[in-house]
Amino acid sequence: GAVVSQHPSRVICKSGTSVKIECRSLDFQATTMFWYRQFPKQSLMLMATSNEGSKATYEQGVEKDKFLINHASLTLSTLTVTSAHPEDSSFYICSARDVSGGRGTQYFGPGTRLLVL
Amino acid sequence: AQSVTQPDIHITVSEGASLELRCNYSYGATPYLFWYVQSPGQGLQLLLKYFSGDTLVQGIKGFEAEFKRSQSSFNLRKPSVHWSDAAEYFCAVGRTHGGSQGNLIFGKGTKLSVKP
Repeated sequence: GAVVSQHPSRVICKSGTSVKIECRSLDFQATTMFWYRQFPKQSLMLMATSNEGSKATYEQGVEKDKFLINHASLTLSTLTVTSAHPEDSSFYICSARDVSGGRGTQYFGPGTRLLVL
Repeated sequence: AQSVTQPDIHITVSEGASLELRCNYSYGATPYLFWYVQSPGQGLQLLLKYFSGDTLVQGIKGFEAEFKRSQSSFNLRKPSVHWSDAAEYFCAVGRTHGGSQGNLIFGKGTKLSVKP
């Protein structure tokens, strides 16, 4: 089946530093990847849509200069949290859309737990 | 606007008992519907999906779901629950409007607890 990996799985950083999270589709190509944020005991909230070779589309209220997204290849998208603050601490999950089946099912990565001190 | 409602926040069932998790959606056309499961601290695993055709969909781990257009529902069922099924379950509808075309809209999730 379609596998999506994320790295790192867990990261602790100091306030003011930047953190990069990688999302990879391991056995399929993904022209579109999505980045979600999940707060404790809550559902997933879409942050942005990452399109290979073009700019990401951000959801309303998400600061594009704070959450930088790069989708340089068909198997890799990165999310960089710039100048991280404690309120950025959260569980970040990416998904990749497999369009080979014609309908674009999304497969999710295992998530990255970010803790900003 | 498209939306997904999971009315039950938390459900507890006994191991071996049957399970039904409810999901209602709001959408103007034939939706793409999904059920995902999330174990603590993990990502989401796709259980099953409905795009078209047979309204009873079979998924992994013995789960099934039935699409009922008249009720705008896509309830998840399992005839006999195992302790390993304890997790959070999310229903989602594929979004086809706006900047994130094809993206998913999630319900708030239902936490399933299984008692011995």
